[in-house]
Parts: sequence; structure tokens; C-alpha cells
Amino acid sequence: QLQLQESGPGLVKPSETLSLTCAVSGGSISTSTYYWDWIRQPPGKGQEWVGTFYYGGTTYYNPSLKSRISISGDTSKNQFSLRLNYVTAADTAVYYCARRVRVGPSTGSFDYWGQGTLVTVSS
Amino acid sequence: DIQMTQSPSSLSASVGDRVSITCRTSQSIGSYLNWYQQKPGKAPKLLIYVVSSLQSGVPSRFSGSGSGTDFTLTISSLQPEDFATYYCQQGYSMPLTFGGGTKVEI
Repeated sequence: QLQLQESGPGLVKPSETLSLTCAVSGGSISTSTYYWDWIRQPPGKGQEWVGTFYYGGTTYYNPSLKSRISISGDTSKNQFSLRLNYVTAADTAVYYCARRVRVGPSTGSFDYWGQGTLVTVSS
Repeated sequence: DIQMTQSPSSLSASVGDRVSITCRTSQSIGSYLNWYQQKPGKAPKLLIYVVSSLQSGVPSRFSGSGSGTDFTLTISSLQPEDFATYYCQQGYSMPLTFGGGTKVEI
């Protein structure tokens, strides 16, 4: 059974960098079949797609965050990571990592999710 | 970006009721529409993908329909464990976007 687990600091100061890691077990991130994504959900609001890591190192970012975001993967540890620079209170959210699977030409759906980790931006 | 509008934002229903939730997109997305269920403090769970395909393990009382810009999630007979918030998500183009959610309450 595939499992994803987020880890990282729960509190980040404004203007600093948010860093999270998603450890994947029960499956490999080194496969062309799936995409590995970050999604966030501010308290009481809906989800926002953040970005994607794809095997071989390809990444995709939400244009709204593109200037501040970096996503990378470590295939030796079977994990992928998110860095978000210059955070503000608006970046406070539960951050989820998830696996995305494509069906035909669709960009796909998220079939496995981590439990999520709350990151609060505050001084 | 493709905008996703769900309606209603919340609804009250009883066990056994038939419930329908609508998702409208700002441009045609063909059949690339997915539905999720989220309970408080939990990650979303995929219910339906590409409009009407039921994810493995999801009860058959859940169904999806629609095409183009208008889509519907239907729960044929609401069960106690179905009280949750439901989100649609378009799988047509990047950036991936979600609807604002529909909270199904007693």
C-alpha cells in the first residue's frame, strides 16, 4: 500500500523559507507512470495546487508561486521536497503531498495523499 | 487558469436523501473532472475521476455526470459517513484547480 508522509517545521517566520519533505513508501517516485505533487489548503478554505515533481527531475509550478518555489526529488531516499521562499501569512496552510495519475490526455487526479502538515507563518 | 464554481456552498440533508452537487468550469474541460470527499482534519479522498469513473473502494451510491462546463456529483442515498465537504478538480490543463467546496451537513 502506497503511503506518503510530510515532514518539516510547523512554524516559519515571515520572509523566511518554508521547507517540507514527502517520504514515499510502497512505491517508487522513479516511475514515468505517476506525478508527485504538493497541494495546500489554507484554514477553512479550499485546495490550491502548488507544484509537481516528475521522474527525471521535471517540475511544474503554479504560476502564482513560480517566483518563490522550488521542488526537487531524491530518488535514493524515495522522497521529494518543497521550498517556498519569502513566506507571508498568506502561505499559512495545511500542506499535502499527493500522487497524481493521468488517464489518457487528462492531467490527472490525486489518488493517494499524505495526512498533511500545518505550516503557520508567524513571527 | 480555469475557474471552478461549486454550488451550493453548503446544504442540509438527512440520511437516505438523494443529494446533488454542481460544479461549473470557466471553460470547457471535456470530461476531465474529478471529485473528492474531505472530512475534518483529514486529507481529501478521490471519489470519482473523468466525470463518472468510480475510484476503487468507493460505494456505488456515488455517481458523476456531465461534460463540457457543467458537472454533477450525486449521492443516491445519503449515509451517515457521507457528511463531509466535497470538492471538484479539473484535470484538463495546468495549473490544476479545485472548486471551493460543498459542505454536506445534517
